Amino acid sequence: EIVLTQSPGTLSLSPGETATLSCRASQSVSSYYLAWYQQKPGQAPRLLIYGASSRATGIPDRISGSGSGTDFTLTISRLEPEDFAVYFCQQYGRSPMYTFGQGSKLEIK
Amino acid sequence: QVRLVESGGGVVQPGRSLRLSCAASGFNFSSYGMHWVRQAPGKGLEWVAGVRHDGSNKDYVDSVKGRFTISRDNSKNTLYLQVNSLRAEDTAVYYCARAHTIFGVVIVEPFFDYWGQGTLVTVSS
Repeated sequence: EIVLTQSPGTLSLSPGETATLSCRASQSVSSYYLAWYQQKPGQAPRLLIYGASSRATGIPDRISGSGSGTDFTLTISRLEPEDFAVYFCQQYGRSPMYTFGQGSKLEIK
Repeated sequence: QVRLVESGGGVVQPGRSLRLSCAASGFNFSSYGMHWVRQAPGKGLEWVAGVRHDGSNKDYVDSVKGRFTISRDNSKNTLYLQVNSLRAEDTAVYYCARAHTIFGVVIVEPFFDYWGQGTLVTVSS
């Protein structure tokens, strides 16, 4: 099983700043199979990034993904109030078919 | 627009059963793999089960194998999850999710592009 470890657990920033969230895999993950989601309280997750760096429909270019192998990063520039949420990375593989990171909470400082 | 609406959750005693449903609309249901992902209160996301677009292949996380059964009815645009022998640790919001499905030499479903709002299952005596 591939374990995804996200850091930091919580990041406190102010609007206008840049958030950098990390997702580290216990084994190499194909970039094609790494995605990021945003989840706000009481809501379902929303796809942000797929294929490690491709933005989903409607996602602004302030949000970007990068990385390869075992290290992936989600960067959110010029933070806006609606960006404060929990972020999960996810990989697609085998047994189990999908695993998620434990999440990183982005909170307003 | 794509819409996924779950139902069937509730409070149930340990050892009992429930059937969760997910009604899909706004897309060609029979062309997509469909999955259930759960989230225990205050916790992260856990993939539970998935079924191919045509129902031909199903997979489960180890912790639910033998207890949960995923199925779909493409004529009704509906996904199901039969959950048996429920345990306290199955308490969670259960989300239905559509997999981005790529047809090639093999079928690949690398991420979830749409999610329902979830249905809460609480296992408690």
